[in-house]
Amino acid sequence: DVKVTQSSRYLVKRTGEKVFLECVQDMDHENMFWYRQDPGLGLRLIYFSYDVKMKEKGDIPEGYSVSREKKERFSLILESASTNQTSMYLCASSELRGQALETQYFGPGTRLLVL
Amino acid sequence: QKEVEQDPGPLSVPEGAIVSLNCTYSNSAFQYFMWYRQYSRKGPELLMYTYSSGNKEDGRFTAQVDKSSKYISLFIRDSQPSDSATYLCAMREYGNKLVFGAGTILRVKS
Repeated sequence: DVKVTQSSRYLVKRTGEKVFLECVQDMDHENMFWYRQDPGLGLRLIYFSYDVKMKEKGDIPEGYSVSREKKERFSLILESASTNQTSMYLCASSELRGQALETQYFGPGTRLLVL
Repeated sequence: QKEVEQDPGPLSVPEGAIVSLNCTYSNSAFQYFMWYRQYSRKGPELLMYTYSSGNKEDGRFTAQVDKSSKYISLFIRDSQPSDSATYLCAMREYGNKLVFGAGTILRVKS
């Protein structure tokens, strides 16, 4: 069974703090993704990575950065947290299967509250 | 206009009812269509996927894609309280990233 774990289920931070969200997958997947999920907006892609040390911007990268030093680990960094970054953050991973359908497996999510 | 439109609900039905969940989209290049189910306080999990047009059945679930109308559906037969969840449609172009709908909250009452 594929397992994607996220370091925290709930997190409360103050405005201006640097926040690290960690994600680990145990299936040797090449691709990893960070999304945020907000009511009425669905899942929006922040960043993704298709290989170690490689990253690409998604639809809403502003205010975020990522790090992928090891294949199994993908970190999302909020350089200076703001209240509009209060959200549910979901990590996902998938195999690299070229043009074919690749199933994304999601972690349980981190609910972040920025005060 | 969003690329993928999905009614957020909530949709409330009695146990045993047939449920119809739908999404419309504007990008005619979408070729892969998926339905994810998300239980409360959990991450989404893939429920069904189809490639291009047509139907696909898996137990009580049927996924339908009508590319001419840019419309996809998920039907749940004999709905159960355990089907209560948020259902997200997702789709992608050939070799491109997933685009998600906003999700429909479904409540099946016993």
